[in-house]
Amino acid sequence: GNSVTQMEGPVTLSEEAFLTINCTYTATGYPSLFWYVQYPGEGLQLLLKATKADDKGSNKGFEATYRKETTSFHLEKGSVQVSDSAVYFCALMDTGRRALTFGSGTRLQVQP
Amino acid sequence: DAGVIQSPRHEVTEMGQEVTLRCKPISGHNSLFWYRQTMMRGLELLIYFNNNVPIDDSGMPEDRFSAKMPNASFSTLKIQPSEPRDSAVYFCASKQGAVTEAFFGQGTRLTVV
Repeated sequence: GNSVTQMEGPVTLSEEAFLTINCTYTATGYPSLFWYVQYPGEGLQLLLKATKADDKGSNKGFEATYRKETTSFHLEKGSVQVSDSAVYFCALMDTGRRALTFGSGTRLQVQP
Repeated sequence: DAGVIQSPRHEVTEMGQEVTLRCKPISGHNSLFWYRQTMMRGLELLIYFNNNVPIDDSGMPEDRFSAKMPNASFSTLKIQPSEPRDSAVYFCASKQGAVTEAFFGQGTRLTVV
């Protein structure tokens, strides 16, 4: 079956530091890949997505590249802000099941 | 559009009581999903509907859980009888199309005491 594995958190960084959150997946075929963000007390919001190999999704300074050869979709940001503190979820959707499978989430804490 | 609307936002109930969670998807979306979020198990898909028809309910924990979608603009998730281990945040999400992003509601935080 499908699965998504994320790095354990929490990740604690100082403001303006570089961020990487690792994500690898297992799926049949060629799934679409997503990063969602959840702020405290809120639902999940789509951050970025990529639908085929070598695509790069980007939004609000965050980027992730769909790497089929390593089955990875790592999230990066060059300079984090305190307002980026949240839980980040990596997810995939395969063309057959059409429902999102989520990783366990990674909590990011950015300190001033 | 107001987004996916869930009600109530918080629910506290006693063990054994019936609980009904409600969801209004985004207008025009043809797929609807119910997820449960807990610290121990993360985000789990419970059930999803396509064009009001349940497609996959393999994630529904047991017979105490049931979900309905009587029309394109409304869905319910019912737990009867509720148990303390059902305490979680329940999210509803909707999307339009085959491989597009899903939009989530703000969730219902359920506490069963």
